[in-house]
Amino acid sequence: DIVMTQTPLSSPVTLGQPASISCRSSQSLVHSNGNTYLSWLQQRPGQPPRLLIYKISNRFSGVPDRFSGSGAGTDFTLRISRVEAEDVGVYYCMQATQFPRTFGQGTKVEI
Amino acid sequence: EVQLLESGGGLVQPGGSLRLSCTASGFIFSPSAMTWVRQAPGKGLEWVSAINGVNSDTFYADSVKGRFTISRDNSKNTLYLQMNSLRVEDTAIYYCAKTDYDLLDYWGQGTLVTVSS
Repeated sequence: DIVMTQTPLSSPVTLGQPASISCRSSQSLVHSNGNTYLSWLQQRPGQPPRLLIYKISNRFSGVPDRFSGSGAGTDFTLRISRVEAEDVGVYYCMQATQFPRTFGQGTKVEI
Repeated sequence: EVQLLESGGGLVQPGGSLRLSCTASGFIFSPSAMTWVRQAPGKGLEWVSAINGVNSDTFYADSVKGRFTISRDNSKNTLYLQMNSLRVEDTAIYYCAKTDYDLLDYWGQGTLVTVSS
């Protein structure tokens, strides 16, 4: 199975300031079709997860443009350009290059 | 609007069985892959199982293989998870998610399964 490792596990942030989360996979996430299936999800307190970013850097419908994703191969980053209060929650990376799909441990973003 | 509504959770003894349902609306269910993800209390997300829309191929996490069965009834727009030989460590909120190959793009609110004597 592909192991997904996120750092940091907790990230105190300041409103209006940037934040970033790293995600590293135990093997390359490049699929045989050339795509890299790395997603980022947000889980606000008491809510189900919500898709933010897919295929490394594509924002899902309705996701604010302060969220961006980057990376390649085994190293990926989620960035929030200016943190807002509604961004508090836990962020997960997830690989869908192979089964079983696997998630990172989660990074708690708190003000 | 895509809506997913899980049901069937509850309290069950170790070794018991439970069947979860996920009723879908707001999208064309039959060709859509679907996924179950669980979250133990205070813990992270764990992918459990997925089923293709076209050919109903199924996939399982090793932790549930041989005990859980994912299925779907396209005539009822409903996804199922039959859970047998339940263990204490299966205690979690179970979410269903609409799946577009790599995207878990829409999620339900979840249903809580508690395995305890």
